[in-house]
Amino acid sequence: GQQLNQSPQSMFIQEGEDVSMNCTSSSIFNTWLWYKQDPGEGPVLLIALYKAGELTSNGRLTAQFGITRKDSFLNISASIPSDVGIYFCAGQGSGSRLTFGEGTQLTVNP
Amino acid sequence: DTAVSQTPKYLVTQMGNDKSIKCEQNLGHDTMYWYKQDSKKFLKIMFSYNNKELIINETVPNRFSPKSPDKAHLNLHINSLELGDSAVYFCASSPLYWANYGYTFGSGTRLTVV
Repeated sequence: GQQLNQSPQSMFIQEGEDVSMNCTSSSIFNTWLWYKQDPGEGPVLLIALYKAGELTSNGRLTAQFGITRKDSFLNISASIPSDVGIYFCAGQGSGSRLTFGEGTQLTVNP
Repeated sequence: DTAVSQTPKYLVTQMGNDKSIKCEQNLGHDTMYWYKQDSKKFLKIMFSYNNKELIINETVPNRFSPKSPDKAHLNLHINSLELGDSAVYFCASSPLYWANYGYTFGSGTRLTVV
């Protein structure tokens, strides 16, 4: 089956710093999605990417769909304490099933 | 109004018991899912229903049985609960059986088996 490798597994940063995380796949994906999970809640969709090379922003968040269609990254600029949570990448391949990465736990120190 | 609602939020039960988790979505979506999130936070799909029809049935013990009375509801019944069933279970829905529309998740049910 398709696998997603997400890195880093965890990050500890100071408020105001920029953050970058990425996902790579062993196979081609048609869609990349980025989710955030707050403690005690379900994942919430942040950004959806549909075309290779696509760069999309949502406020301080920017994500890109890799040209090879096997990777994606998410950047968070000028982090704030409420950015704390687990960030998941997810991809849809040749089938319609969504595959999730293992998550990046982000901690922001004030 | 909560888009995808799950009940209960917390469930503590003894080994061997049978329990159910309910899920309802008011988004008009056709497809609903059950995911299990383990202690390492990995999200693993268990089941998917499209318009009341079972589409995905991953390698899940047959003690787990989903039921979809209509396309707005997908319940999960678990028989003979085991310690390893302790996890957070998430219900989700999507407009079509196409992941690129994104899933809307419920807030989860934390199941603890003692």
